[in-house]
Amino acid sequence: NAGVTQTPKFRVLKTGQSMTLLCAQDMNHEYMYWYRQDPGMGLRLIHYSVGEGTTAKGEVPDGYNVSRLKKQNFLLGLESAAPSQTSVYFCASSYSRQGYEQYFGPGTRLTVT
Amino acid sequence: RKEVEQDPGPFNVPEGATVAFNCTYSNSASQSFFWYRQDCRKEPKLLMSVYSSGNEDGRFTAQLNRASQYISLLIRDSKLSDSATYLCVFSGSARQLTFGSGTQLTVLP
Repeated sequence: NAGVTQTPKFRVLKTGQSMTLLCAQDMNHEYMYWYRQDPGMGLRLIHYSVGEGTTAKGEVPDGYNVSRLKKQNFLLGLESAAPSQTSVYFCASSYSRQGYEQYFGPGTRLTVT
Repeated sequence: RKEVEQDPGPFNVPEGATVAFNCTYSNSASQSFFWYRQDCRKEPKLLMSVYSSGNEDGRFTAQLNRASQYISLLIRDSKLSDSATYLCVFSGSARQLTFGSGTQLTVLP
C-alpha cells in the first residue's frame, strides 16, 4: 500500500516549456486535489476532483489544467511554464471532501527558469 | 481579513517545555478544523482533528473557540521530535479546506 505517490520528485523547466505531473493513489479515494506551496503562503488549492471524469477549479487555477481519466490518477499539466509557477506541488486524496483526513504525496519541486 | 491567520514563529523552546499556538479564522461557517504537521521538505500529515468540546491526544491538546473564531494547539513535555511546522486547517469558502501558512517549532536539547 503506497498511499499517494507523485512523479517526478524534482524538475527544472525553461519558461514556455510544458510538463505533466502525475499523482496516483491506491486507497480507492474519490476525492483528489492539487496544491502548491510557496514560502509564507501556505497550501493553495489549484484544482480538485470529486470523482473519475470530473474536475473543478480551486483558488489558483490559472496556468494549469488537470485530468482524472482513472479514479486512481490525477494529472496536473502546465502548458507554458512561467517563473511564477516555481513552487512545491502536492497532490492529496481523501475519502470525501470535508471532515476526513487528506493524505498527501511527497511533493514535486518545480523550478522554472 | 485573511481567511486564516497563524503566527509563523519561529518558536524555539527547550525540551520538556509547554508550548501553545493559536490560529484565527474568518469564515464563521467553518465546520471542520484540523492541525496538520509538516516536517522540513516533507508532505503535511494530519496531527489531529479539533472538536467543539476540545480533545486530547497524548501530549497534544486541541481546542476550538467559535465565539472568537480561533483554534489552539497545546504541546506538553516537548520532545526534539516535535520540531516541525504546524498548519491549522479549516473548512473554508467554497467548501474547501483552507490551510494556514504554518507555525515553525524548534525544540532545543
